[in-house]
Amino acid sequence: QVQLVESGGGVVQPGRSLRLSCAASGFAFGGYSMHWVRQAPGKGLEWVAVISHDGSDKYYADSVKGRFTISRDNSRNTLSLQMNSLRIEDTAVYYCARDGADIVVLYYFDSWGQGTLVSVSS
Amino acid sequence: SYVLTQPPSVSVAPGQTARITCGGNNVGFRSVHWYQQKPGQAPVLVVYDDSDRPSGIPERFSGSKSGDTATLTITRVEAGDEADYYCQVYESNSDHPVFGGGTKLAVL
Repeated sequence: QVQLVESGGGVVQPGRSLRLSCAASGFAFGGYSMHWVRQAPGKGLEWVAVISHDGSDKYYADSVKGRFTISRDNSRNTLSLQMNSLRIEDTAVYYCARDGADIVVLYYFDSWGQGTLVSVSS
Repeated sequence: SYVLTQPPSVSVAPGQTARITCGGNNVGFRSVHWYQQKPGQAPVLVVYDDSDRPSGIPERFSGSKSGDTATLTITRVEAGDEADYYCQVYESNSDHPVFGGGTKLAVL
């Protein structure tokens, strides 16, 4: 079955960087667009970024544009999120999620990882 | 920016029917997706494309739309259905997915 496992979260000071990873298994990773979605403590869900199945297209939420970079390695079935210039408001659980269809991007999320917590604090 | 409006909470007795609404401009023209999130867990897709159910989701969960409001209906509610529920659409103007604020379903 589809399995997504995030890692790389932790406590970091404002202005520093952190890199999250998501290991995928149980499906043809290279055929699906992948997303990052985050959830601040006690708050709702916020979409962060998407990368197309072949990595050629990437889109970001305005709140992270210019600071975060999404990437993928289809040979290793791995999704990544490089987060630079972190702010206190970036504190959240970060989920990787699979898009609802292969090849085309439908912008809904049919499988989710368990999430990794990023805490930005001085 | 595009806003999806959900009631903060809905309460229902076991065995009854829960209806959770999601309102937004031109929701009738967008595909609406619904997620269930239990405390401490990741969200789970329960309805996609307005009214389709992923495999493994009970038939008790159904989705519908009328005008600018989408509705998630849960029939024969069970204690295990207690969770936060989020609606979501794709907003083409911004090229971004947008989530509603979430509704906490309480099973009395």
